[in-house]
Amino acid sequence: AQTVTQSQPEMSVQEAETVTLSCTYDTSESNYYLFWYKQPPSRQMILVIRQEAYKQQNATENRFSVNFQKAAKSFSLKISDSQLGDTAMYFCASGGLYGGATNKLIFGTGTLLAVQP
Amino acid sequence: EAQVTQNPRYLITVTGKKLTVTCSQNMNHEYMSWYRQDPGLGLRQIYYSMNVEVTDKGDVPEGYKVSRKEKRNFPLILESPSPNQTSLYFCASSLGRGLSYEQYFGPGTRLTVT
Repeated sequence: AQTVTQSQPEMSVQEAETVTLSCTYDTSESNYYLFWYKQPPSRQMILVIRQEAYKQQNATENRFSVNFQKAAKSFSLKISDSQLGDTAMYFCASGGLYGGATNKLIFGTGTLLAVQP
Repeated sequence: EAQVTQNPRYLITVTGKKLTVTCSQNMNHEYMSWYRQDPGLGLRQIYYSMNVEVTDKGDVPEGYKVSRKEKRNFPLILESPSPNQTSLYFCASSLGRGLSYEQYFGPGTRLTVT
């Protein structure tokens, strides 16, 4: 079974500091994608960053970057210069061509990040 | 504005009373999907559709039905809701098959079944 594990249910960080959210996954797919989604209090699901597994270079999007360790099946999210607007639930997700190409995303259980002023 | 819309956003109902949650996208996307979000479980796929009249079960389809008669609409139907279907529901769409296409999520529907 494809699984995504987020072992940190809650985290807290001071404004302007850096925080890293952990994610590990398991997949039998040879080609797959990894994602981080942000869910603020509005409940909207917002794509933060994504990584294609065959690309060795870690993805970055402004203050957000990932540390993709393929052999270890690890995909952590680093948020630099944390801002109050970063307060949200963060979901790690994986997806690939699961027999029949369902376009299904497998989600972790989420990490609730609180940015403190 | 390109978007996925869901209605209603909030719904409280009673056990056994049939309901429909609508989902519509204005991006001409082929692929649409329904997820439910529960605390400690993340999001799980209920049903998906790869095109008009093509639908299939996801991981948690029991108690749900869907239809795809038009490309833009993908309603989720609960014929006889039960309390264990109390959840936050998301509709998602993407341009095509494969996760190279970004999935766009609707704003969510909070359903409570008493």
